Amino acid sequence: EDQVTQSPEALRLQEGESSSLNCSYTVSGLRGLFWYRQDPGKGPEFLFTLYSAGEEKEKERLKATLTKKESFLHITAPKPEDSATYLCALLNSGNTPLVFGKGTRLSVIA
Amino acid sequence: DSGVTQTPKHLITATGQRVTLRCSPRSGDLSVYWYQQSLDQGLQFLIQYYNGEERAKGNILERFSAQQFPDLHSELNLSSLELGDSALYFCASSLQGGRDTQYFGPGTRLTVL
Repeated sequence: EDQVTQSPEALRLQEGESSSLNCSYTVSGLRGLFWYRQDPGKGPEFLFTLYSAGEEKEKERLKATLTKKESFLHITAPKPEDSATYLCALLNSGNTPLVFGKGTRLSVIA
Repeated sequence: DSGVTQTPKHLITATGQRVTLRCSPRSGDLSVYWYQQSLDQGLQFLIQYYNGEERAKGNILERFSAQQFPDLHSELNLSSLELGDSALYFCASSLQGGRDTQYFGPGTRLTVL
């Protein structure tokens, strides 16, 4: 069975303090790994898709990387507006839906 | 703004009742997905429709049903509601399916009293 585990569950950072969020997974055949940001009470907002090990994508202060067993979301010099829950989801090789992790709740303190 | 719309934003109802949640996908998207998000369970996939046909099914209860209409909007019907059905319900859409990115709507918050 496909599984996605995100760690830590919650992370508190000072503004400017860089860190990484982890998404480890087990899947029969990975077709894609997705990162979303979700603000409280809102719908998830798409950030990145990674398709193969070694791939990296960047957007502003965020950088996502992928290996054969895990993905990292690196946050460089975060700002308070980066506070949100970050979700990763994987798509396997079959015709099955996205499997979401439970998320990392990030708080960035000014 | 993802381009996916959902109505209503909030719904408060009583146990045993039936409600309908509505979703309009982004222009050009043929696939619609429904998810349930509760505090302890995270985002759980319910069902996917592609161009009017059911394509994939998750752990959707028999009391729940959905359909996608010719204009591609979708409705999720929840009946015989229980307290445990209180959650956020999200609709997402994608161009077709598979590896296509899913874009989420703002959600409907359902409270069952």
